Amino acid sequence: GAGVSQTPSNKVTEKGKYVELRCDPISGHTALYWYRQSLGQGPEFLIYFQGTGAADDSGLPNDRFFAVRPEGSVSTLKIQRTERGDSAMYLCASMASGGNTGELFFGEGSRLTVL
Amino acid sequence: AQSVAQPEDQVNVAEGNPLTVKCTYSVSGNPYLFWYVQYPNRGLQFLLKYITGDNLVKGSYGFEAEFNKSQTSFHLKKPSALVSDSALYFCAVSPELDSWGKLQFGAGTQVVVTP
Repeated sequence: GAGVSQTPSNKVTEKGKYVELRCDPISGHTALYWYRQSLGQGPEFLIYFQGTGAADDSGLPNDRFFAVRPEGSVSTLKIQRTERGDSAMYLCASMASGGNTGELFFGEGSRLTVL
Repeated sequence: AQSVAQPEDQVNVAEGNPLTVKCTYSVSGNPYLFWYVQYPNRGLQFLLKYITGDNLVKGSYGFEAEFNKSQTSFHLKKPSALVSDSALYFCAVSPELDSWGKLQFGAGTQVVVTP
């Protein structure tokens, strides 16, 4: 597609439920990033994929968070046993040519609300 | 560890006047610095980056930023602000030369340009 697409744009769930957030990067972009942005704060790095593999998952807050990118394109961020503190905007971004061009292309985000 | 600080939560400027958004950084090695902008209901957009070379970096939409190593600053500037520049601006730093998408963002500065 023309840009990074994220679905759903809004997700409301109950505490303890399982959630999946999807990211479709710009075609041909090999690097894909997930960030989390809480209200009034800047985005925080979660995980980075180079192709199919997670090159750096140091930002994942705990083992309830997991992400996959099985075919090197679409990625899914998975959150188990959601907690109210997981409520945030989840941003996906992609970058061309192996991740060293310096410009991230962001999607509009998926807003997660855990009740 | 690396970090960026944006000392102003909000900057107000009249249309046509110069705009400056401040950013200071702290890194243990060479700084790789970025500015992103977030318009309402839009994804984050890349404005410019400093990797090496000239201290004055020119970017999108008429913005530029000046890298000052002695003051550890990377202020964003525009000579003549437009109402359409009203948005949330983020300064960011990358800790690694080979991972420019893994960014540490500041908290953001809201720019309000009045007609």
